[in-house]
Amino acid sequence: EAGVTQFPSHSVIEKGQTVTLRCDPISGHDNLYWYRRVMGKEIKFLLHFVKESKQDESGMPNNRFLAERTGGTYSTLKVQPAELEDSGVYFCASSQTAGGSHNEQFFGPGTRLTVL
Amino acid sequence: AQKITQTQPGMFVQEKEAVTLDCTYDTSDQSYGLFWYKQPSSGEMIFLIYQGSYDEQNATEGRYSLNFQKARKSANLVISASQLGDSAMYFCAMREGPFSGGYNKLIFGAGTRLAVHP
Repeated sequence: EAGVTQFPSHSVIEKGQTVTLRCDPISGHDNLYWYRRVMGKEIKFLLHFVKESKQDESGMPNNRFLAERTGGTYSTLKVQPAELEDSGVYFCASSQTAGGSHNEQFFGPGTRLTVL
Repeated sequence: AQKITQTQPGMFVQEKEAVTLDCTYDTSDQSYGLFWYKQPSSGEMIFLIYQGSYDEQNATEGRYSLNFQKARKSANLVISASQLGDSAMYFCAMREGPFSGGYNKLIFGAGTRLAVHP
């Protein structure tokens, strides 16, 4: 079974440019989460999809970030325009709707974003 | 406010010895879950072990065990018989609220970098 995949693995862009990150969750997982880790800080929650609906977007830093999950499969996270403080590693995770008592989240390898 | 604290930025251990990674948490909820994830240098986050707030016994998964002390709000990870491949970053995380189909975000600590020496 394929795990969570993310594309690209690395992205280097200039301030003011646009970048789109993609996440493909594990097949059949209704829940999809985005997190990010800014250099030297904790991993922070960004938002949570249940299928194609945004369940919780309380962690989205500002309106330069737009997440979508059309069709309830893969998700994209667009940053437009990118700022220097957006640099970090963006993780995607997925979980089943009812996967056991703890319903662990399976993480992808992350996308390392560098904004110059 | 919910918070996870990992006070050890770095730890080292000799191969084959046991090591304890500390984690304390703060929550006002009665129902919550605690997770440990491992992040090797390759970057992926690997789930290791889970402890529910109502679980009476400490969780164990192979060489990993969780020393859960609810009154002290601590959930330390114990790795027995350390191996070189255990060298990685380790994150403690908490899910607040009752299990409801995976709807709950995780709150992470800052992580502990473990180095296993031969």
